[in-house]
Amino acid sequence: GENVEQHPSTLSVQEGDSAVIKCTYSDSASNYFPWYKQELGKRPQLIIDIRSNVGEKKDQRIAVTLNKTAKHFSLHITETQPEDSAVYFCAAPRGNMLTFGGGTRLMVKP
Amino acid sequence: DGGITQSPKYLFRKEGQNVTLSCEQNLNHDAMYWYRQDPGQGLRLIYYSQIVNDFQKGDIAEGYSVSREKKESFPLTVTSAQKNPTAFYLCASSIGVASTDTQYFGPGTRLTVL
Repeated sequence: GENVEQHPSTLSVQEGDSAVIKCTYSDSASNYFPWYKQELGKRPQLIIDIRSNVGEKKDQRIAVTLNKTAKHFSLHITETQPEDSAVYFCAAPRGNMLTFGGGTRLMVKP
Repeated sequence: DGGITQSPKYLFRKEGQNVTLSCEQNLNHDAMYWYRQDPGQGLRLIYYSQIVNDFQKGDIAEGYSVSREKKESFPLTVTSAQKNPTAFYLCASSIGVASTDTQYFGPGTRLTVL
């Protein structure tokens, strides 16, 4: 079955710096990779996703890149702000379900 | 995601008791899911349902049970057989059963066993 590894588990950056979170997956048939953001005590919310027919997708300060050959995908956040502080989860398909990574706690220091 | 609700927000249980967590959605979604979240860990799938009157075990179904009698409701029962039930429980729904269908999460229920 699908195995999703996410790194790092914690990430601390200075406000204005960039943050990068990486996930690797095992099932070469996977074709959809969403990223969720979970603020403290709140529900996870989808922030961006990418499908395997594209290599990169951007939405304002966030972007996701996909390398199908290496089986990894990454979340990039530029010009980080304190409100970006949260736990971020990647996911990959396993049949008609999703397997989630272990999460990355991002702390943006003002 | 405002159309999916969970209750209660906090729940305390004594050892040996069964408890039922509620999940309701008014999004007209076919698929519903239950996840467990432990501190510092990702989301682990307990059960999912693709359609009314049908449900499937996820990765950690032991000690849990579900029902799907109505499209909008997917309650989760944590039984006394679950050895370590203290966790944050998240319900989700999606419009269809494809893994590419976005999952929308409820606000969660924090269960504590006393």
